[in-house]
Amino acid sequence: GNSVTQMEGPVTLSEEAFLTINCTYTATGYPSLFWYVQYPGEGLQLLLKATKADDKGSNKGFEATYRKETTSFHLEKGSVQVSDSAVYFCALPENQGGKLIFGQGTELSVKP
Amino acid sequence: EPEVTQTPSHQVTQMGQEVILRCVPISNHLYFYWYRQILGQKVEFLVSFYNNEISEKSEIFDDQFSVERPDGSNFTLKIRSTKLEDSAMYFCASSGGSYNEQFFGPGTRLTVL
Repeated sequence: GNSVTQMEGPVTLSEEAFLTINCTYTATGYPSLFWYVQYPGEGLQLLLKATKADDKGSNKGFEATYRKETTSFHLEKGSVQVSDSAVYFCALPENQGGKLIFGQGTELSVKP
Repeated sequence: EPEVTQTPSHQVTQMGQEVILRCVPISNHLYFYWYRQILGQKVEFLVSFYNNEISEKSEIFDDQFSVERPDGSNFTLKIRSTKLEDSAMYFCASSGGSYNEQFFGPGTRLTVL
């Protein structure tokens, strides 16, 4: 079945640093890909998505490009803020209308 | 903006008791899900529900669990006899079906004592 692997955390950065969180996947076909974010004490929020190869999803300064050649969907941000401190999950569906498969989550801590 | 809501936000129960977790999905969505997250761990799929029946369930979703859509708006998860290891954050999600974008509720933190 489909699967996703994320880089392990925690990741600690200083404010305004560049962020990359790696995510690679294995899948049948070309499913949509997602990044979800979980702020401390809160639920999961969709951060961004890409629905086909070479699509770039973006939101709140974060970007991720759907790369089928490398089966990757790395999350990037040029300049992180303290408020970006959260756990980030890469995810993809197992099949149409089916469950989401989540990566193990990467905790990001941004220091002032 | 439409959102998924869940109640209660926190439920404390004694081992062996029944609990019902409630969710109101986004109104025009067709697919409904429950996931759980044990503290500090991965988000795990429990069950999906479509067209008034379970479409898929995980190994976690044993006979102690059941789901129901009792009316046109609510979607419930029942745990018949809670165990200590059921303590987790339970998330409800819904999806319109296309592209599988799922919208999550804020979660119910279940604590079994």
